[in-house]
Amino acid sequence: NAGVTQTPKFRVLKTGQSMTLLCAQDMNHEYMYWYRQDPGMGLRLIHYSVGEGTTAKGEVPDGYNVSRLKKQNFLLGLESAAPSQTSVYFCASSLNSESYEQYFGPGTRLTVT
Amino acid sequence: GESVGLHLPTLSVQEGDNSIINCAYSNSASDYFIWYKQESGKGPQFIIDIRSNMDKRQGQRVTVLLNKTVKHLSLQIAATQPGDSAVYFCAVSPGGYNKLIFGAGTRLAVHP
Repeated sequence: NAGVTQTPKFRVLKTGQSMTLLCAQDMNHEYMYWYRQDPGMGLRLIHYSVGEGTTAKGEVPDGYNVSRLKKQNFLLGLESAAPSQTSVYFCASSLNSESYEQYFGPGTRLTVT
Repeated sequence: GESVGLHLPTLSVQEGDNSIINCAYSNSASDYFIWYKQESGKGPQFIIDIRSNMDKRQGQRVTVLLNKTVKHLSLQIAATQPGDSAVYFCAVSPGGYNKLIFGAGTRLAVHP
């Protein structure tokens, strides 16, 4: 099992550009999450999904959109990047409603100039 | 809502000593608590968890203590080793779709 994988690992964008981050998991998990991590802060939840075709807003959703067209994939989109979105982005997954443990990917470091 | 805070942003210990990392939470309805370890450049890794119906849980060299009266959580690492150097996060689930609220993290530095 590869677990949770994220692509790309690094990306630099100019203000106003768009991009999509891809998260994939091979553990047949129902739930998936996107977080951002800023220096000196914990992880903050952006969006999450409790199953294929469903998405919901987390703590800091503004400026981001997500899609879960396939159970194993969870995409995070930035339509018009801003410097405030410079961060490290982590994807996570958990098995189902009975299991709280989240498994994390290695992260994507995004810089917006 | 829930907020999670850690008492110390950094902790330095000698190799072989025991380490204690503390965490406080605000929502008394929170029912699940988890500790993660994050090494530089990597994603968080699960260490140990505990549910609200327990006060203590032990793993390999780690113990988590939960005091619901004062809404306090601690992680104890026995015989700390250089490989334990990392940032440690506590996270709390206030309920609902298994969402976790993370604290800011404590950086543990282990000195020989």
